[in-house]
Amino acid sequence: AQSVSQHNHHVILSEAASLELGCNYSYGGTVNLFWYVQYPGQHLQLLLKYFSGDPLVKGIKGFEAEFIKSKFSFNLRKPSVQWSDTAEYFCAVTPTSGTYKYIFGTGTRLKVLA
Amino acid sequence: EPEVTQTPSHQVTQMGQEVILRCVPISNHLYFYWYRQILGQKVEFLVSFYNNEISEKSEIFDDQFSVERPDGSNFTLKIRSTKLEDSAMYFCASSRMGSTNYGYTFGSGTRLTVV
Repeated sequence: AQSVSQHNHHVILSEAASLELGCNYSYGGTVNLFWYVQYPGQHLQLLLKYFSGDPLVKGIKGFEAEFIKSKFSFNLRKPSVQWSDTAEYFCAVTPTSGTYKYIFGTGTRLKVLA
Repeated sequence: EPEVTQTPSHQVTQMGQEVILRCVPISNHLYFYWYRQILGQKVEFLVSFYNNEISEKSEIFDDQFSVERPDGSNFTLKIRSTKLEDSAMYFCASSRMGSTNYGYTFGSGTRLTVV
């Protein structure tokens, strides 16, 4: 069965610290990969996505993610977090064909201390 | 930037009652979706809708649930005879194309509390 695992449920960092959130997926075929962010009281917003090509993708607000196919991973990184990055972060995957649905991870709640 | 609008933002209902959650997708989008997130759990797919019919649904989406696009702008999720375990955040989303290559636009969600 398809699944997505986010191993860190809660992360607390100080401003300027580096961030890495893990995401692993389980699926036998080709997938598209996404990271979404949800700021308090707001909707899910797309941070970045990977479909093909360069496995290192850059998104908005200084975030990037690296797709490592051999590890079935798509970890999110940011070199220096800000207080405004406090939010919940969701990894999602979808097969490249046959379905329109996303499979989400459980989310990682990030709190950045000023 | 175009938005997907969901109303209400929070609804409390008694067990056994019917609720209708409303969504206004982006106007030129053709594909519509409902997801839900039970507190502390992952966001789960419920249903996708295109051309006035369900194109895909999950095993969660049983006879208790139905979707409708009644007037060309709204997209509704009806839950008949609500149960305590239906308490969750419900997200509507829309996309212009069916392929997930284009990504969705999500609404802010409706928090449903069944008491």
